Amino acid sequence: DAGVIQSPRHEVTEMGQEVTLRCKPISGHNSLFWYRQTMMRGLELLIYFNNNVPIDDSGMPEDRFSAKMPNASFSTLKIQPSEPRDSAVYFCASSFGTGDEQYFGPGTRLTVT
Amino acid sequence: SQKIEQNSEALNIQEGKTATLTCNYTNYSPAYLQWYRQDPGRGPVFLLLIRENEKEKRKERLKVTFDTTLKQSLFHITASQPADSATYLCALGNSGYALNFGKGTSLLVTP
Repeated sequence: DAGVIQSPRHEVTEMGQEVTLRCKPISGHNSLFWYRQTMMRGLELLIYFNNNVPIDDSGMPEDRFSAKMPNASFSTLKIQPSEPRDSAVYFCASSFGTGDEQYFGPGTRLTVT
Repeated sequence: SQKIEQNSEALNIQEGKTATLTCNYTNYSPAYLQWYRQDPGRGPVFLLLIRENEKEKRKERLKVTFDTTLKQSLFHITASQPADSATYLCALGNSGYALNFGKGTSLLVTP
């Protein structure tokens, strides 16, 4: 398996634009997680899915953020409109079960100017 | 609220020595604890899992302890090598819930 795949790897956009981050989890994994990492706040859980169903989105900063998982092999995290404070590295991770060891993707480095 | 503390200051040690990293937590009763390694520009990579009923776990040069009374886990790397230089994250979990990650401690092993 190729591991967790994320795209794009880097994204530079202007404030106000819509940003869509994509993730393909490891086949057979039932749980998918979206994280945001910054120097100040560390690794923050934004939302996670179990069997394609959102379980906990309490980490989503505000309504500008939304996530979907239409099937077991694909998830998106959308920011609309984007703001400079959204600049961070966004990671997707998957695991067999919610509390099992997680496999992280390479991350998407987002810069909002 | 739940809090996980890892030393924010980088740990610098000499090659061959044992590196010891600390993970403390409050307002939490985790069923297990995981340690991850993160290299610059990459996602965290799972290293070890230790359960609440286990005192110690070993994997090659790695050793993890878990003291639920002290609410602390120690992560040891014996015979450290420059290639061990990275950021190490602890994560606490309970069955059915997502992991809660600490901010990590940076380790630098110098030749």
